[in-house]
Amino acid sequence: SQQGEEDPQALSIQEGENATMNCSYKTSINNLQWYRQNSGRGLVHLILIRSNEREKHSGRLRVTLDTSKKSSSLLITASRAADTASYFCATDDRASGANSKLTFGKGITLSVRP
Amino acid sequence: GAGVSQSPRYKVAKRGQDVALRCDPISGHVSLFWYQQALGQGPEFLTYFQNEAQLDKSGLPSDRFFAERPEGSVSTLKIQRTQQEDSAVYLCASSLALTGSFGYTFGSGTRLTVV
Repeated sequence: SQQGEEDPQALSIQEGENATMNCSYKTSINNLQWYRQNSGRGLVHLILIRSNEREKHSGRLRVTLDTSKKSSSLLITASRAADTASYFCATDDRASGANSKLTFGKGITLSVRP
Repeated sequence: GAGVSQSPRYKVAKRGQDVALRCDPISGHVSLFWYQQALGQGPEFLTYFQNEAQLDKSGLPSDRFFAERPEGSVSTLKIQRTQQEDSAVYLCASSLALTGSFGYTFGSGTRLTVV
């Protein structure tokens, strides 16, 4: 079963614009992570935000977390054609404890037009 | 190695054939995970190892799926009597931490096609 639900399912923007992607989840979490996947490749870890954090930055990435609404957003500023990929949010569920595993959403397809 | 290595990169199997997928995690990484990713979907958890111990196999879809990590490093996912619904990308991930506190490093996956 998939816990995270990303929104929108697909996003097409012009190079230089900002891209905002949203994720909602259902259970209590230890942390939430965002991953990127280029076509036919594995997932690349982008950023992790812990349940006691509200906002985090990494380069052109900004992620927010609202545990009261069980939602997160990923903002990519000044997008580039190379940002074209699928983006997944994944939750590290509090209930998992030591048997840690990630639960992924279905992903968002981002297309950045040159 | 520098990253998580999976082999083969692609596998075509006839229905009913047994397959074995290999994962070489980053050296020293304690945690190892297997995920299954169907086309257009997010990865779905299959099983988790902490060193050589298989602590969670709740995601394995049937008793045809079996995973092992006998020496706490390389892992093999075996699928017996493959079915068409087994066609997917199988991803392996490893982590230095015991929990998901620092993110995971994924391999490029093995794309299995059952014909």
